[in-house]
Amino acid sequence: IAGITQAPTSQILAAGRRMTLRCTQDMRHNAMYWYRQDLGLGLRLIHYSNTAGTTGKGEVPDGYSVSRANTDDFPLTLASAVPSQTSVYFCASSDRDNTDTQYFGPGTRLTVL
Amino acid sequence: GQNIDQPTEMTATEGAIVQINCTYQTSGFNGLFWYQQHAGEAPTFLSYNVLDGLEEKGRFSSFLSRSKGYSYLLLKELQMKDSASYLCAVLDSNYQLIWGAGTKLIIKP
Repeated sequence: IAGITQAPTSQILAAGRRMTLRCTQDMRHNAMYWYRQDLGLGLRLIHYSNTAGTTGKGEVPDGYSVSRANTDDFPLTLASAVPSQTSVYFCASSDRDNTDTQYFGPGTRLTVL
Repeated sequence: GQNIDQPTEMTATEGAIVQINCTYQTSGFNGLFWYQQHAGEAPTFLSYNVLDGLEEKGRFSSFLSRSKGYSYLLLKELQMKDSASYLCAVLDSNYQLIWGAGTKLIIKP
């Protein structure tokens, strides 16, 4: 079944630890995105990639890094986790066609203690 | 700054009609999206409007007025499964999606 997968589904992490959230899509979409979603706030863009080999900063990039070595994978790394990074993280992809509709993975619920 | 406004929460009755409004102020406009998000799940695409007017898709319709910076999502014949959050998002001049905080819709029997 085509779509986006994310791993892990959920994680509890000690502050200061390094963590990589994985995202893989099999729709051959050019663009991929990482969002965080917190109660009462809209989805906030962390980083994005318009095509393999390129990345860009979104609204809230501090404390996060990404890479896009190929079309399918777009991992998000927290170098040294802090409690304010407790959130639900969604990966999304789009085809960069005229509507640029984004399709979302199931999310990763991350708790930093 | 860029801003998307939508009501925080709405309540409606099963079988009725509800209209969820969204107003926006963004740097440029390349389309407006509505997504549905059930609790604990990912957002799923509902509709896309780029021209003024009404787009109908089954029980759901979406309206856009670019001159007023306004859209609404109309849900007819409400079912219990429509209980969810509805997210409005605008694609700005840089082709970045700007998201509203979402409207939580509660359906009562």
